[in-house]
Amino acid sequence: DSGVTQTPKHLITATGQRVTLRCSPRSGDLSVYWYQQSLDQGLQFLIQYYNGEERAKGNILERFSAQQFPDLHSELNLSSLELGDSALYFCASSPLGTIGYEQYFGPGTRLTVT
Amino acid sequence: AQSVAQPEDQVNVAEGNPLTVKCTYSVSGNPYLFWYVQYPNRGLQFLLKYITGDNLVKGSYGFEAEFNKSQTSFHLKKPSALVSDSALYFCAVRADDMRFGAGTRLTVKP
Repeated sequence: DSGVTQTPKHLITATGQRVTLRCSPRSGDLSVYWYQQSLDQGLQFLIQYYNGEERAKGNILERFSAQQFPDLHSELNLSSLELGDSALYFCASSPLGTIGYEQYFGPGTRLTVT
Repeated sequence: AQSVAQPEDQVNVAEGNPLTVKCTYSVSGNPYLFWYVQYPNRGLQFLLKYITGDNLVKGSYGFEAEFNKSQTSFHLKKPSALVSDSALYFCAVRADDMRFGAGTRLTVKP
């Protein structure tokens, strides 16, 4: 158990809908990262937050947005969902915002768009 | 731009034999390199990292990796494979953001 929690575990929704994925980092970790894992795209870095501020941005679509709250939990919002958004979404956390720290991954949220 | 490549989709080894999972990278500046392992239906678990210093890095579960700057490689190794090592292994590089390789599925047969 990494100490990172993600809810929900599974999510099934229809195209065009909007969903919110939630992540709680390990106790004391200030950075949260979001990733998308799919069979055709592999593991893609989406975005990083550090202590409430956006720190780095990867391949995140404009339909997706994230935020980190004062209690350090984070939410990833996915809107206007398409079939291709079906994937595993992982959250990870690390102690600081610097790039040399390893990340601790949550168990993931499996999103299925029908 | 930074990138990382894992040239083998699949690696098969017999239990007790040494294993190598290959990784090459491309990054401007000093690389920060990582190996992670993913077991079925689980998130990724950190194995080891190279930031600076000794080119041979030791990590969890008896794994080690060798950083080779001239060959821009960071291969993961283990002297004696276990069946329980069977999993999906990811190499990652961090510069501006985090880039993961496509993953290598390691199968260790008894």
